[in-house]
Amino acid sequence: QVQLVQSGAEVKKPGASVKVSCKASGYTFTTYYMHWVRQAPGQGLEWMGIINPSGGSTTYAQKFQGRVTMTRDTSTSTVYMELSSLRSADTAVYFCARVNRYYDLLIGDSVTYSDYWGQGTLVTVSS
Amino acid sequence: DIVMSQSPESLAVSLGERATINCTSSQSVLYDSNNKNFLAWYQQKPGQPPKLLIYWASTRESGVPDRFSGSGSGTDFTLTIRTLQAEDVAVYYCQQYYSTPQITFGQGTRLEIK
Repeated sequence: QVQLVQSGAEVKKPGASVKVSCKASGYTFTTYYMHWVRQAPGQGLEWMGIINPSGGSTTYAQKFQGRVTMTRDTSTSTVYMELSSLRSADTAVYFCARVNRYYDLLIGDSVTYSDYWGQGTLVTVSS
Repeated sequence: DIVMSQSPESLAVSLGERATINCTSSQSVLYDSNNKNFLAWYQQKPGQPPKLLIYWASTRESGVPDRFSGSGSGTDFTLTIRTLQAEDVAVYYCQQYYSTPQITFGQGTRLEIK
């Protein structure tokens, strides 16, 4: 069965970096893109970016450009999200989410909905 | 960016009654070429990740009870929960995936039992 297992909770000081992992199993890792989505305490869902595990290409939300780096290791079927220059506003639960793809002759290749999510990783930024 | 707006922000419905949640996008998420609305609905319970309920605006995910249904097209969408059950208490989010690869979520609607 499909599983996305994320790394454990982290506590970081302002200005530090954090790297969260998401290990996939139960499907062909390189076939599905992966989103990273975060959720601040009591708040909604915020998209951070997406990675194609096949070639490693990425697209980041403008808000996080320059601070976020998404990578993958195909040998372990793991994707990573690293966020730098942390501030208190980055305190949140970070989720990875598998992305279904849709191909249409006119539209081309599209990312669509997420059918599997990791359990979430709480990152706390505090001095 | 496509902005998604949900209403109401919170909703209290009696057990066995119908719950209706609305979602509006700032621009159409319907592709005319294939007549598909690039919209999904998720349910999130406390301490859990979101769970996919509906995609393509009206297609129910496997295993989701048939009391959940999605409707709408273009910019206006609705999630309906027929005969509310206690386990349906959650926050519900709509999400557009029209602006691939970027996605955006609505702000969420909290559903409670009256």
